[in-house]
Amino acid sequence: DAGITQSPRHKVTETGTPVTLRCHQTENHRYMYWYRQDPGHGLRLIHYSYGVKDTDKGEVSDGYSVSRSKTEDFLLTLESATSSQTSVYFCAISESERGADQFFGPGTRLTVL
Amino acid sequence: QKEVEQNSGPLSVPEGAIASLNCTYSDRGSQSFFWYRQYSGKSPELIMSIYSNGDKEDGRFTAQLNKASQYVSLLIRDSQPSDSATYLCAVGRYGNNRLAFGKGNQVVVIP
Repeated sequence: DAGITQSPRHKVTETGTPVTLRCHQTENHRYMYWYRQDPGHGLRLIHYSYGVKDTDKGEVSDGYSVSRSKTEDFLLTLESATSSQTSVYFCAISESERGADQFFGPGTRLTVL
Repeated sequence: QKEVEQNSGPLSVPEGAIASLNCTYSDRGSQSFFWYRQYSGKSPELIMSIYSNGDKEDGRFTAQLNKASQYVSLLIRDSQPSDSATYLCAVGRYGNNRLAFGKGNQVVVIP
């Protein structure tokens, strides 16, 4: 299995609070991604990174920010959580420029009350 | 039109039969195609990748790609109860670091 961990694995928080999810990899892959998965919507890309300090928006980036200060860590922050951000969040990594062969972390289940 | 479409509803197949899943995509520039398997409550797992027209076989799985018709399919031969999962189709293109995912198809293998 690709060396990807996510923390926390489960979190319950209240509307309006900040939340940070962490993705950590031991594969030294260049590309890292944050997705959310919701019933009826499938996997949707939030943000991705193509190197340290290099990030870009995905299709559902509103309300989220990311940072990557080290190759191995990619952080996703919800500045002020809303109930619509209740979801399962997956991190993925890839070493290919084609976006190919993405390997997923175990996921974080976030509930915003 | 959705970028990647998987239109079939849940698929029930008897154990030992062939399960067939289809996926269509809208971007003619797409050049990389993937199938992921996702068990309930787990993360997606890459099971097949295909880049050229034709068939690619890996064990009981066969991926088929037809770029002219813009579809990619996955066949699961000798289906086993352990194949019961949701299968996600994903499509990418060179120079673009992102994949577009379909919503997935649930497969249920009946013993």
